[in-house]
Amino acid sequence: AQSVTQLDSHVSVSEGTPVLLRCNYSSSYSPSLFWYVQHPNKGLQLLLKYTSAATLVKGINGFEAEFKKSETSFHLTKPSAHMSDAAEYFCVVSANQGAQKLVFGQGTRLTINP
Amino acid sequence: DAGITQSPRHKVTETGTPVTLRCHQTENHRYMYWYRQDPGHGLRLIHYSYGVKDTDKGEVSDGYSVSRSKTEDFLLTLESATSSQTSVYFCAISGTLSTDTQYFGPGTRLTVL
Repeated sequence: AQSVTQLDSHVSVSEGTPVLLRCNYSSSYSPSLFWYVQHPNKGLQLLLKYTSAATLVKGINGFEAEFKKSETSFHLTKPSAHMSDAAEYFCVVSANQGAQKLVFGQGTRLTINP
Repeated sequence: DAGITQSPRHKVTETGTPVTLRCHQTENHRYMYWYRQDPGHGLRLIHYSYGVKDTDKGEVSDGYSVSRSKTEDFLLTLESATSSQTSVYFCAISGTLSTDTQYFGPGTRLTVL
């Protein structure tokens, strides 16, 4: 079985400072891991994904995440926050077995202070 | 939204009435999914389809049924809506590989009074 824990329900940073959104996962199989972003009243957009290739994954809008198997973590980072980054972020795990049943974390709301 | 539309986008209904939500894709993807989003729960899988007339249950399937008679359409039906089914419903599509990206539709906000 798969599960995801997002360690912070809300993160607040100042514009121009680094962003760190933390995610731990559990999976019985070699997992695929994703970060999705949801802006207010919008659908979900893929930021980046890990599928057993390079452990450091670069995504859109300057985000990146590092897969650490020993720590079962997949934290999302960005060097410098922008006001447009304010949104809800979801860490997602999928077992690489058959149908792609995604398991979502509870979400982290990112607030950017001017 | 990767060629995915959902209808209706908003619906208010009363307890006990049937409701059908439609997902339509123009990408010819084999897999289609229905999720619900509730505060504090992220998204949870209701049902998914791996081909025409081929469907299976997800994590929270009780009270829901689905049908897929064409590749492009995936219907979610609430036979008798309850207030606990008030939620935002998202459709998603993906290719056949387990590592493929899932693309999400714009969502349907359903309120059951």
